[in-house]
Amino acid sequence: QKEVEQNSGPLSVPEGAIASLNCTYSDRGSQSFFWYRQYSGKSPELIMSIYSNGDKEDGRFTAQLNKASQYVSLLIRDSQPSDSATYLCAVNYGNNRLAFGKGNQVVVIP
Amino acid sequence: DAGVTQSPTHLIKTRGQQVTLRCSPISGHKSVSWYQQVLGQGPQFIFQYYEKEERGRGNFPDRFSARQFPNYSSELNVNALLLGDSALYLCASSFGGANTGELFFGEGSRLTVL
Repeated sequence: QKEVEQNSGPLSVPEGAIASLNCTYSDRGSQSFFWYRQYSGKSPELIMSIYSNGDKEDGRFTAQLNKASQYVSLLIRDSQPSDSATYLCAVNYGNNRLAFGKGNQVVVIP
Repeated sequence: DAGVTQSPTHLIKTRGQQVTLRCSPISGHKSVSWYQQVLGQGPQFIFQYYEKEERGRGNFPDRFSARQFPNYSSELNVNALLLGDSALYLCASSFGGANTGELFFGEGSRLTVL
């Protein structure tokens, strides 16, 4: 069973602060990792992909990957009210089959 | 360009009935995947099709079936509906079997089983 764990409860952050989300995965052989954003009542939308250990930055988003610890994280800098959504961690275990975590809700307070 | 389109957007069925959900991928995309998302959970993989062949099947009963047509559109069929099949069914497309995992999702078909 390919597991992806996102255990944190809803995260409330003030506008302009950093939101930090974490994810662990069970399949040590996984090679590609993703963060999807899902607004309430909408479908998931890819915001970050990461394939190598270390950090990857894209605008206000930074993804961090540590394969030895089987750990992926997402930082959202200068959080905006428009960042309020559920963030889904996903791990690719072959042929575009993604295993998703249950998601973390982020609420940015103006 | 049109994104992934799904139909119907909402539907209500009763237990024991059958349902067919439809998906058109982004133009040029040859791979279609189906996911089930229950409220409060992440999407769960059901099927993946590439070039009209089934490439993967998730842990779902045989009541779930799918196919992909020559124009790369796809249908998901669910027979003998149960209350637990109530969910958002998401179709996602990608260019091919490049193993990127970068999926483009449609807006989903929300199924309610009474």
